[in-house]
Amino acid sequence: AQSVTQLDSQVPVFEEAPVELRCNYSSSVSVYLFWYVQYPNQGLQLLLKYLSGSTLVKGINGFEAEFNKSQTSFHLRKPSVHISDTAEYFCAVSPLPGGYQKVTFGTGTKLQVIP
Amino acid sequence: DTAVSQTPKYLVTQMGNDKSIKCEQNLGHDTMYWYKQDSKKFLKIMFSYNNKELIINETVPNRFSPKSPDKAHLNLHINSLELGDSAVYFCASSQDMTDQPQHFGDGTRLSIL
Repeated sequence: AQSVTQLDSQVPVFEEAPVELRCNYSSSVSVYLFWYVQYPNQGLQLLLKYLSGSTLVKGINGFEAEFNKSQTSFHLRKPSVHISDTAEYFCAVSPLPGGYQKVTFGTGTKLQVIP
Repeated sequence: DTAVSQTPKYLVTQMGNDKSIKCEQNLGHDTMYWYKQDSKKFLKIMFSYNNKELIINETVPNRFSPKSPDKAHLNLHINSLELGDSAVYFCASSQDMTDQPQHFGDGTRLSIL
């Protein structure tokens, strides 16, 4: 079984400042890792994913995440945030494919960008 | 053109009633899902269908019955609604069952009075 921990439930940050949203996972098998974004009153959108290869993954809207196997982390970063980045961010994991993928989500981090 | 659309957007009803939520995707994907998001934003998978076949059924009460008439549609029927069913229900789809859910609908906010 897999689990995901997002330690920060809310992260306030000023506009144009950098931000890091933390995600740690636990699994007995190798995993794929994802970040999703949820804007108010909308469904989730896939921001980026790590499947294999380079541990630094670039996603949409200027976000990137780094996979650290030894620390079992997959933190999300952006060098300069905009007001429009205000949303809920979910980290997720799934086991390597073996028939079907069951994605387990973290509890989310609310990013509040302050003008 | 909306990729994953679900109706209704809001559903307010009384305990004990039966209700349905419909979902359609126009992406040509093989796999569809139902997720439940509770008041603390925790998102949990309920069901997954691949080409109309049930793949995942996650310890969901029997009162919840998904139906997939074709691979573009996955509806959710709920019998004898309870207070604890209040949540936002999301439909999602992926290319196939080895892929992660890529596209989500905007959700159906179910409130039980």
